[in-house]
Amino acid sequence: DAGVTQSPTHLIKTRGQQVTLRCSPKSGHDTVSWYQQALGQGPQFIFQYYEEEERQRGNFPDRFSGHQFPNYSSELNVNALLLGDSALYLCASSRWAYEQYFGPGTRLTVT
Amino acid sequence: AQSVSQHNHHVILSEAASLELGCNYSYGGTVNLFWYVQYPGQHLQLLLKYFSGDPLVKGIKGFEAEFIKSKFSFNLRKPSVQWSDTAEYFCAVNAGAAGNKLTFGGGTRVLVKP
Repeated sequence: DAGVTQSPTHLIKTRGQQVTLRCSPKSGHDTVSWYQQALGQGPQFIFQYYEEEERQRGNFPDRFSGHQFPNYSSELNVNALLLGDSALYLCASSRWAYEQYFGPGTRLTVT
Repeated sequence: AQSVSQHNHHVILSEAASLELGCNYSYGGTVNLFWYVQYPGQHLQLLLKYFSGDPLVKGIKGFEAEFIKSKFSFNLRKPSVQWSDTAEYFCAVNAGAAGNKLTFGGGTRVLVKP
């Protein structure tokens, strides 16, 4: 049984560009949450998708948007990249309110 | 808003020593509590969780944690650590009424010397 998968593993972008990160949840899970983990810090909640709708959102600007597809996979989009967006982006999946399982993350570097 | 604080940023100890990592949260309502571990080069893994019932919960790899509601604490313990316990440990909380958004502490880096 595959766990949570994320792509790509690493990404380098320039300030002002746009990026899309992808996540496939663990089999049987219907909820996907996204987190940003800056170096030396704990993960910070970005938003959560359930039934293809954004259900909760953390304190992140509208430049951060997402989508969930009918197969429960999800995308995170970030527009107008800033240097401060450099971080590890984590996807976690769950069956609604149960415990979350994390993927390996996408390391985004903005230059 | 809920918040989580982990008292120690770095802990260094020798094999066979006992480990206790502190975690305090601020939220007045019902909470679910978690400890996650991130081994070098690996992704976050769930060590243990508390939803309800016995406040002393046992997790994988010999770890346990105790929920003390009056102290808003959920400390992680292991009686005898091994070199393979070298990792970063994160405490996380979700407020029962807020779905399952997790709020994480800043993490504690644990180095176990052989």
